[in-house]
Amino acid sequence: AQSVTQLDSHVSVSEGTPVLLRCNYSSSYSPSLFWYVQHPNKGLQLLLKYTSAATLVKGINGFEAEFKKSETSFHLTKPSAHMSDAAEYFCVVSDNAGGTSYGKLTFGQGTILTVHP
Amino acid sequence: KAGVTQTPRYLIKTRGQQVTLSCSPISGHRSVSWYQQTPGQGLQFLFEYFSETQRNKGNFPGRFSGRQFSNSRSEMNVSTLELGDSALYLCASSLFGREAEAFFGQGTRLTVV
Repeated sequence: AQSVTQLDSHVSVSEGTPVLLRCNYSSSYSPSLFWYVQHPNKGLQLLLKYTSAATLVKGINGFEAEFKKSETSFHLTKPSAHMSDAAEYFCVVSDNAGGTSYGKLTFGQGTILTVHP
Repeated sequence: KAGVTQTPRYLIKTRGQQVTLSCSPISGHRSVSWYQQTPGQGLQFLFEYFSETQRNKGNFPGRFSGRQFSNSRSEMNVSTLELGDSALYLCASSLFGREAEAFFGQGTRLTVV
């Protein structure tokens, strides 16, 4: 079984300071990992994905994440926060359980990012 | 390229009624998944369809059902609505494979009164 734990339900930063959103995962197989962002009253947008290639993954809007198998972590970072980054962020795992679970994404509980001027 | 389209965007239903939600995937995508989002439970997987076949089902009661048509459009149905079914229902479409990115629609906000 797969699971995702987002270690912080809320993160608050000042504009221009670094962002760190933490995610640990549990998977029986070699996982694919994603970060999605959801702005208020909007759907989910993919920020980046890890699929067993490079462990440091770059995404849109300056976000990146590093896959650390030994720590089962996939933390999301950004060097400098913008006001427009304020949203809810979800860490997501897709398991490869014998090829039968491709469409099943398991979401973390979400981290609400607040950016102060 | 048009995105994932969900209709309607908002619905208000009474307890005991049934409801049907619709999802049109991105052209060429044959996999469609449904998720329920609530403040208490977060985002939970309902089911996934590929080539008109349900391949995966989440841990929801039988009142929740779905289907996929030959053009990959999908519908989900909830019968005998309960207050707890009030949620944002999200549809996602993707190409086949675990590395495929899921593209989400804007969702249907269902309120049960």
